[in-house]
Amino acid sequence: AQSVTQLDSQVPVFEEAPVELRCNYSSSVSVYLFWYVQYPNQGLQLLLKYLSGSTLVKGINGFEAEFNKSQTSFHLRKPSVHISDTAEYFCAVSDHSNDYKLSFGAGTTVTVRA
Amino acid sequence: NAGVTQTPKFQVLKTGQSMTLQCAQDMNHEYMSWYRQDPGMGLRLIHYSVGAGITDQGEVPNGYNVSRSTTEDFPLRLLSAAPSQTSVYFCASSPVGLMNTEAFFGQGTRLTVV
Repeated sequence: AQSVTQLDSQVPVFEEAPVELRCNYSSSVSVYLFWYVQYPNQGLQLLLKYLSGSTLVKGINGFEAEFNKSQTSFHLRKPSVHISDTAEYFCAVSDHSNDYKLSFGAGTTVTVRA
Repeated sequence: NAGVTQTPKFQVLKTGQSMTLQCAQDMNHEYMSWYRQDPGMGLRLIHYSVGAGITDQGEVPNGYNVSRSTTEDFPLRLLSAAPSQTSVYFCASSPVGLMNTEAFFGQGTRLTVV
């Protein structure tokens, strides 16, 4: 099964500053990669996904992520955050070796301050 | 647009009690799954189903049972609740043809076992 590591458990950031959330996964021949967001007391919502093709993926709410196969990474970025981006963010991976079941990282809590 | 509906939203159980967490989806998705979310551990897969009549174990299945008699419903049963099962539980569904390329999550059930 895939192992997913989110390198930062907490990321405080000021409003309008950029943010990067780091995600690394264990190696596999072919993977699907996802970022989900969880707002307080809500379920998970898909931000973006990488299935194939361009390694730079754009998602909702101005987020983007870059798939780097050689570094087995899928880091999430936003150039300018808002207060409303305060949430927990999860990186997830699936691949054929595990019947495409999702493996989640431990999550990164982003707190945006004015 | 109901999506994935979980009931109840909150539940307190005494050790040894049994209960069923309900999950229903109206998107005609074949693939459904149950996760538990614990602080610092992300989401861990409990059980999943690739279609009516077919279920399988995930990463942490002990203490939980599932059944899938219809495409729409995927209940999770706790046979004899233990304090270690205190967690937030999420149900998710996705189209089996895309095999986890995007999972849709319910709002979660927060369970406390005392």
